[in-house]
Amino acid sequence: ELKVEQNPLFLSMQEGKNYTIYCNYSTTSDRLYWYRQDPGKSLESLFVLLSNGAVKQEGRLMASLDTKARLSTLHITAAVHDLSATYFCAVLNSNSGYALNFGKGTSLLVTP
Amino acid sequence: GAVVSQHPSWVICKSGTSVKIECRSLDFQATTMFWYRQFPKQSLMLMATSNEGSKATYEQGVEKDKFLINHASLTLSTLTVTSAHPEDSSFYICSAPTSGRRDEQFFGPGTRLTVL
Repeated sequence: ELKVEQNPLFLSMQEGKNYTIYCNYSTTSDRLYWYRQDPGKSLESLFVLLSNGAVKQEGRLMASLDTKARLSTLHITAAVHDLSATYFCAVLNSNSGYALNFGKGTSLLVTP
Repeated sequence: GAVVSQHPSWVICKSGTSVKIECRSLDFQATTMFWYRQFPKQSLMLMATSNEGSKATYEQGVEKDKFLINHASLTLSTLTVTSAHPEDSSFYICSAPTSGRRDEQFFGPGTRLTVL
């Protein structure tokens, strides 16, 4: 069974600070996704990581993938309040017709 | 990017009634669509895989007779919650990969179901 674990599950950080969210998964997968979800909304795609060593950056967010360690990170640089949301990582599950297995999510609150 | 729509965006119904939720791919064809359920403060859990022209595949623990899925065309999948009960209240989200591009998954805006 493909398991996806995120940590931390809750994160309160001050504006201007840096932090990293971690995503571990249990079996081999060559697709790792990061999504953002605002309250009451669906998922907004942030990054799709397709290969070992992949690094993608968009604004204050940077995601990386280490397939050997089965680890992805989402790094937040100089956080701002607008980044407050829940962040999910997800892994492509070939045993479920290529549906996604999601982590539990990291609820991020950025405070002044 | 590709667009996936859902209808309705929210619905309130009485216990015992049935509710149909539609998921449409607006500008691409989707032979496969996925239905997820998200309870408050929780993650998304795959309920079933909808396949055009064949039966849906349900995840363990999901009652196929209660959650009827019909993939009527290459752009439409429907989820019918039959005899809904308050415990079925949840946020239902569909997604579709573009055909041949499994690395691209597009999510619908979700349907909030409240069963009274």
